[in-house]
Amino acid sequence: AQTVTQSQPEMSVQEAETVTLSCTYDTSESDYYLFWYKQPPSRQMILVIRQEAYKQQNATENRFSVNFQKAAKSFSLKISDSQLGDAAMYFCAYGSGAGSYQLTFGKGTKLSVIP
Amino acid sequence: SQTIHQWPATLVQPVGSPLSLECTVEGTSNPNLYWYRQAAGRGLQLLFYSVGIGQISSEVPQNLSASRPQDRQFILSSKKLLLSDSGFYLCAWSSQPNQPQHFGDGTRLSIL
Repeated sequence: AQTVTQSQPEMSVQEAETVTLSCTYDTSESDYYLFWYKQPPSRQMILVIRQEAYKQQNATENRFSVNFQKAAKSFSLKISDSQLGDAAMYFCAYGSGAGSYQLTFGKGTKLSVIP
Repeated sequence: SQTIHQWPATLVQPVGSPLSLECTVEGTSNPNLYWYRQAAGRGLQLLFYSVGIGQISSEVPQNLSASRPQDRQFILSSKKLLLSDSGFYLCAWSSQPNQPQHFGDGTRLSIL
């Protein structure tokens, strides 16, 4: 079974600075998908970014980018120019490429943004 | 555009009472639908998913059940709630497996 580990329960960053959230996963599959979700205090889960394992190029969405290291099974999220609205819980998630409907989530990292 | 609605937003129920949480999706047909539970300080646990009307797969055996009476309607139920059923329940949909799942606003369920 796949597992997703987020080793940083809490992180903080100064406004306008850059922060990197870590995620590692364990799998024997070669085809899979990885996601980062954001959950602000309002509790709604919002998709931040998606990465297909077969793509070598790291995904980017505006200020959010990932560092996908397939051999190391690492999928970190970099937030540039941090804003107060970035404060939230961030969850890393794994989806099997074998047509599985289940996403496996990490336990999350709580990000605080200091003005 | 697609939207997902989930209600109620909060619910306080006594132990042993029944439960019905509803989720509907608009703007798409034949979505894959999911129910998750999020305990305090933890990640999401998949409870049920459905790939079509009347088709329910359970990931975690418990006193909860799910039903899909219509294409875009997903209901989470219980006949008798337990204290351990407290938590934050999220409904989600996706167009296909491994496509991003889009979540509703969630229901905070407190059992007294």
